[in-house]
Amino acid sequence: DTEVTQTPKHLVMGMTNKKSLKCEQHMGHRAMYWYKQKAKKPPELMFVYSYEKLSINESVPSRFSPECPNSSLLNLHLHALQPEDSALYLCASSQDLDSYNEQFFGPGTRLTVL
Amino acid sequence: ELKVEQNPLFLSMQEGKNYTIYCNYSTTSDRLYWYRQDPGKSLESLFVLLSNGAVKQEGRLMASLDTKARLSTLHITAAVHDLSATYFCAVDFSSMDSNYQLIWGAGTKLIIKP
Repeated sequence: DTEVTQTPKHLVMGMTNKKSLKCEQHMGHRAMYWYKQKAKKPPELMFVYSYEKLSINESVPSRFSPECPNSSLLNLHLHALQPEDSALYLCASSQDLDSYNEQFFGPGTRLTVL
Repeated sequence: ELKVEQNPLFLSMQEGKNYTIYCNYSTTSDRLYWYRQDPGKSLESLFVLLSNGAVKQEGRLMASLDTKARLSTLHITAAVHDLSATYFCAVDFSSMDSNYQLIWGAGTKLIIKP
């Protein structure tokens, strides 16, 4: 299996809602990533997990809360988001952080915050 | 400052023509990646370049890496409409106190007209 899957594909939420994005990979990768991508921009790194531990947090507001329950799963919990948080949220995985870093991306979740 | 610069940022070309996208980077690295992104879709890995002088080809696309010049090129031969997409380069960077991270170029939006 060489796929990264993400659910849901689309999400519309209000500013007071709580929702979660899910990501799964079965490639045995030990590094997993969350990116945010705005239209016509490159992806912006949010969080990196390495061996299920949070390795990098790129100063992301606390309304985004990542979780890595096991080596195959990565969640992003959302609470009290702002309209400017509307974007494509991409999950990626790579072998690990110690060698070359080809990252495999999931299809993304298109998030709209009203 | 870590920078990855792509040019051009926008390219409109006719089918059948050849063109080159350039990716310059400011830090020492011998690992560079090219990704393709179709509108509203995720990122697809195209090429992984892991050493000076590396050259990879897939169909009408050829990528190369010159680590001394800190330059990678993505060459399109006899373009066809299906190659219309946004192309990103990304450079692996690691420092003494951090693992590898990808630094992304701004992307080149390529439109190929019939």
